[in-house]
Amino acid sequence: EAAVTQSPRNKVAVTGGKVTLSCNQTNNHNNMYWYRQDTGHGLRLIHYSYGAGSTEKGDIPDGYKASRPSQENFSLILELATPSQTSVYFCASGDGDWGGSYEQYFGPGTRLTVL
Amino acid sequence: AQSVTQPDARVTVSEGASLQLRCKYSYSATPYLFWYVQYPRQGLQLLLKYYSGDPVVQGVNSFEAEFSKSNSSFHLQKASVHWSDSAVYFCALSRRGSALGRLHFGAGTQLIVIP
Repeated sequence: EAAVTQSPRNKVAVTGGKVTLSCNQTNNHNNMYWYRQDTGHGLRLIHYSYGAGSTEKGDIPDGYKASRPSQENFSLILELATPSQTSVYFCASGDGDWGGSYEQYFGPGTRLTVL
Repeated sequence: AQSVTQPDARVTVSEGASLQLRCKYSYSATPYLFWYVQYPRQGLQLLLKYYSGDPVVQGVNSFEAEFSKSNSSFHLQKASVHWSDSAVYFCALSRRGSALGRLHFGAGTQLIVIP
């Protein structure tokens, strides 16, 4: 069964520390996405990728970096974590126009708290 | 530019009652439209989607939605809700022909079903 998994599921970090959130998909989708979810804002796009080796900025990229070392894996990196980055982060995969289906498949989320 | 508006942050209904969750979109052409559901502490799951054709689309768990081009709307409906339908519901839009297939989300509507 196709799936998107995320690790860790919960993370507590200290201000100024480095945080890496990992995502793995078995859907063989070209595109992967990182979102954050905050009350009143829905999901906002942080970074996305068209395939291995590519990363692009989304709507709110400041303070975040991304890495796509392979088709299956997509990481979100907070080099210097701040309390404002406390949120729930979702990874998703999809094929956009490549596969004719615009559905995205979401992971279970990572709850990050920065103290 | 495109955007999605869900005017109701929270909706409370009694079990067995009918339900409508509202979604309005702004986009110059006909978009692809989606409804996703998020149960507590879980990722988003696709309920239904509209690409073209019959404006009334059926989804999982007896949900349906009606696309209206004239009203720029895609309201979600259910004839009789169950307590297990309590969740957050997101309406989303994607532009046709987009290789990325990115989704633009509304802020979400929290549905509370009173047993």
